[in-house]
Amino acid sequence: ETGVTQTPRHLVMGMTNKKSLKCEQHLGHNAMYWYKQSAKKPLELMFVYSLEERVENNSVPSRFSPECPNSSHLFLHLHTLQPEDSALYLCASSQRAGLEHHNEQFFGPGTRLTVL
Amino acid sequence: AQSVTQPDIHITVSEGASLELRCNYSYGATPYLFWYVQSPGQGLQLLLKYFSGDTLVQGIKGFEAEFKRSQSSFNLRKPSVHWSDAAEYFCAVGAEDSNSGYALNFGKGTSLLVTP
Repeated sequence: ETGVTQTPRHLVMGMTNKKSLKCEQHLGHNAMYWYKQSAKKPLELMFVYSLEERVENNSVPSRFSPECPNSSHLFLHLHTLQPEDSALYLCASSQRAGLEHHNEQFFGPGTRLTVL
Repeated sequence: AQSVTQPDIHITVSEGASLELRCNYSYGATPYLFWYVQSPGQGLQLLLKYFSGDTLVQGIKGFEAEFKRSQSSFNLRKPSVHWSDAAEYFCAVGAEDSNSGYALNFGKGTSLLVTP
């Protein structure tokens, strides 16, 4: 595997379910990100992890819970979601966190989430 | 407020024709500017970026973009479009003085259709 991978690629869940999205980067990067991409809306940054420490939480509801056990893996735990949470969830990684480092963010293919 | 505008939601060009995708931003400080491309079912791929220096930036796949401070624009161009260029294109802007040192603000995207 190369680059940034995400599993599952598609997920359908009910509002009472608990599920997790997984992201893995094979690039040796130290920063990882979760973005939400909704139809007709700009990409929204949700969380940023730098060296396994959360450094940004962009006013995301608590029904989304990130976890970064090591610099290569990032999870997004989901529970009690709402239909409006249906979106494409994109994971990204970069060598370091912070725009001042002129980082390029490498994106995974995303998980298409549908909440019924 | 900081914002990124991509005025064209959809653009259709003939294969071999030239292309220009528009991006305007509203930022107080010197921005960092990016263009990403997203093919169906894929994550975002960086085409090019501008941080400083020469205002004409060359990217991958034959794309270029020009930063014009006086017009607050960073338009993406390609002299001859190929059918494989059909995708969604996103302009993104970040700035050192933004509330978050990590966040990129994305435009809503421009969908490019290439006709034979």
